[in-house]
Amino acid sequence: KQEVTQIPAALSVPEGENLVLNCSFTDSAIYNLQWFRQDPGKGLTSLLLIQSSQREQTSGRLNASLDKSSGRSTLYIAASQPGDSATYLCAVMWVGSNYKLTFGKGTLLTVNP
Amino acid sequence: NAGVTQTPKFQVLKTGQSMTLQCAQDMNHNSMYWYRQDPGMGLRLIYYSASEGTTDKGEVPNGYNVSRLNKREFSLRLESAAPSQTSVYFCASTSRVSRTAYSNQPQHFGDGTRLSIL
Repeated sequence: KQEVTQIPAALSVPEGENLVLNCSFTDSAIYNLQWFRQDPGKGLTSLLLIQSSQREQTSGRLNASLDKSSGRSTLYIAASQPGDSATYLCAVMWVGSNYKLTFGKGTLLTVNP
Repeated sequence: NAGVTQTPKFQVLKTGQSMTLQCAQDMNHNSMYWYRQDPGMGLRLIYYSASEGTTDKGEVPNGYNVSRLNKREFSLRLESAAPSQTSVYFCASTSRVSRTAYSNQPQHFGDGTRLSIL
């Protein structure tokens, strides 16, 4: 079964720290991998999309990497701020899935002032 | 910038009642999706519509029906609500080149409908 796993389920860090969120996935035949942010009571906001042919994507303080061979992606957040506190979800679009996304269960990040 | 709009935002139903969740997008996207989000289960796909005029089952379609009313609107119907359908429901949309191709665009989500069934 194709699955997406995010570990840890929760992470607490002090403000200013650089941090890495992890996502692993079974089966390397993917179209893309997407990282989303979800604030409490809100929908998901797309952060970064990495296509199968790419190794990484950057947006401001965020950098996402993709290693298909090992089935891993990381989301690097530089100089974390309390406003970064949210749940971060990883989602994979597999070849043959009819372009559907499969989501991990997310990592709840708390950045303490 | 409306994006994806879901109505209602909150709803309480009694077991056996029916209701329709509405979703509309103003981004000219051709693909639309309905998910449910439950604690410990993550986000699961209920139904999706790859393009206007088509709908397909996702991972958890039982107990639900959908209608792609036009390119903008995609509704989700619970015919006879059950307590197991208590959840937060999200609608999402994205663009595709065609039914058989994908443009590598991210999905855009609404803010959700919080549904409780007693």
